Amino acid sequence: EPEVTQTPSHQVTQMGQEVILRCVPISNHLYFYWYRQILGQKVEFLVSFYNNEISEKSEIFDDQFSVERPDGSNFTLKIRSTKLEDSAMYFCASNELQETQYFGPGTRLLVL
Amino acid sequence: SQQGEEDPQALSIQEGENATMNCSYKTSINNLQWYRQNSGRGLVHLILIRSNEREKHSGRLRVTLDTSKKSSSLLITASRAADTASYFCATVIQGAQKLVFGQGTRLTINP
Repeated sequence: EPEVTQTPSHQVTQMGQEVILRCVPISNHLYFYWYRQILGQKVEFLVSFYNNEISEKSEIFDDQFSVERPDGSNFTLKIRSTKLEDSAMYFCASNELQETQYFGPGTRLLVL
Repeated sequence: SQQGEEDPQALSIQEGENATMNCSYKTSINNLQWYRQNSGRGLVHLILIRSNEREKHSGRLRVTLDTSKKSSSLLITASRAADTASYFCATVIQGAQKLVFGQGTRLTINP
C-alpha cells in the first residue's frame, strides 16, 4: 500500500540554524500539507500546496518557513532560522481533492 | 470552544468493553476524519465521513455524524489492549482543504 514517507525521523539543530524537512507524498496525490504537533498539544496546520503553489497557510507559517516541490516526488519544508519554539513533530500529508489525508510518520525536530 | 473538540479528554476502560468518544465542531464541514496516534508516533487514518453521511462502519469502528448538532462520535467495540492510543477528530471546513484537529481523547484499555 502506498504511503507518505518523511526524512529524517529525528533532527537536532542549534537555534538560528536552517533545517529542511523532506517528504515524499503518495505518487498520484495532488494536494500536500505540513502540520506540526508540539509535545502534548494538538496537531496544527501549517500550509497546503497544490499545483506548485501555496493554497493556504496558517499564522504559524511566517516568513521563516517555506515549502518547495523541487522535483516530481519530493516536498520540502524549510525553516530558515530555527527558534526554540519550533521544536515539535512535523507531519507531511497528502491526498486527492476532498479525500482522506494520509500522514507520514513525522520528523521530530529539537532546537537547542 | 474550538473547532473539533473531543470529549472525554481521557477514557480508561477494561478490555472487551466498548469505547465511545465524541467530537463537536462549530462551522459547516465538508467531511470529518478520525485518526489514531500511538504515543509519539504518526497519525493513522481510521474513517472519513462526509457531511451528507450519517454513519459509517469499518471493522470494530463505528462513526456517526449529526450535522444539525455539529457533532460526531467514534465507537470502538470489543476493545483490545492494542487500541490504547490517542484519538483525534479533524474537520475539513467547506471551501477549504486543511484539517482542523481537536485536542484528542486519550484512550487506555486495561487488560
